[in-house]
Amino acid sequence: EVQLVESGEGLVQPGSSMKLSCVASGFTFSNYGMNWIRQAPKKGLEWIALIYYDSSSKYYADSVKGRFTISRDNSKNTLYLEMNSLRSEDTAMYYCAKGGTFDYWGQGVMVTVSS
Amino acid sequence: DVVMTQTPVSLSVSLGGQVSISCRSSQSLVHNNGNTYLSWYLQKPGQSPQLLIYKVSNRFSGISDRFSGSGSGTDFTLKISRVEPDDLGVYYCGQGTQYPRTFGGGTKLELK
Repeated sequence: EVQLVESGEGLVQPGSSMKLSCVASGFTFSNYGMNWIRQAPKKGLEWIALIYYDSSSKYYADSVKGRFTISRDNSKNTLYLEMNSLRSEDTAMYYCAKGGTFDYWGQGVMVTVSS
Repeated sequence: DVVMTQTPVSLSVSLGGQVSISCRSSQSLVHNNGNTYLSWYLQKPGQSPQLLIYKVSNRFSGISDRFSGSGSGTDFTLKISRVEPDDLGVYYCGQGTQYPRTFGGGTKLELK
């Protein structure tokens, strides 16, 4: 059974940093690209980053480019999202999602940016 | 960026009924490789989104044949027949042809 479990939820002040993790199981993690997708409260879905299976390419939404970094450790079956210079508008539920079609999603973690 | 426009924003349906949701993209979703990367997702209340349909018309593993996708180019439709209580929630279309990946604004399916 495919499972994606995010962690790193929390409340932080504007301008600070935070790192999310997503541990994968039930599939060969090193064979798939992985994504981070977020959903602000009561809003729709926003894709924010993708990393290729071998980390050779990374893509970002303009809203996070230069502030967020996606990375992965295939030896640990883990996906990461390093978030810097956080803003109030980054407040959202953050999901990791597998592959090009987002065929599996984690349960999500809530990131709240507020003073 | 490819803008995805879903209509309607909300939909009321009777159990056992049929509904259609439209999704239009601002640019063709036909990839250079000939594939069209248009997917449909359902987010049930309090849950993460789940994949229903990929590449326009392919049902994901375990998805009922009551769900069907169609369309081409910039115009796509999701049809749900014999609506069941477990079908209620917000439906999103999403494109995987260009970066950044983008989603429609969502269609909320409610009981009449």
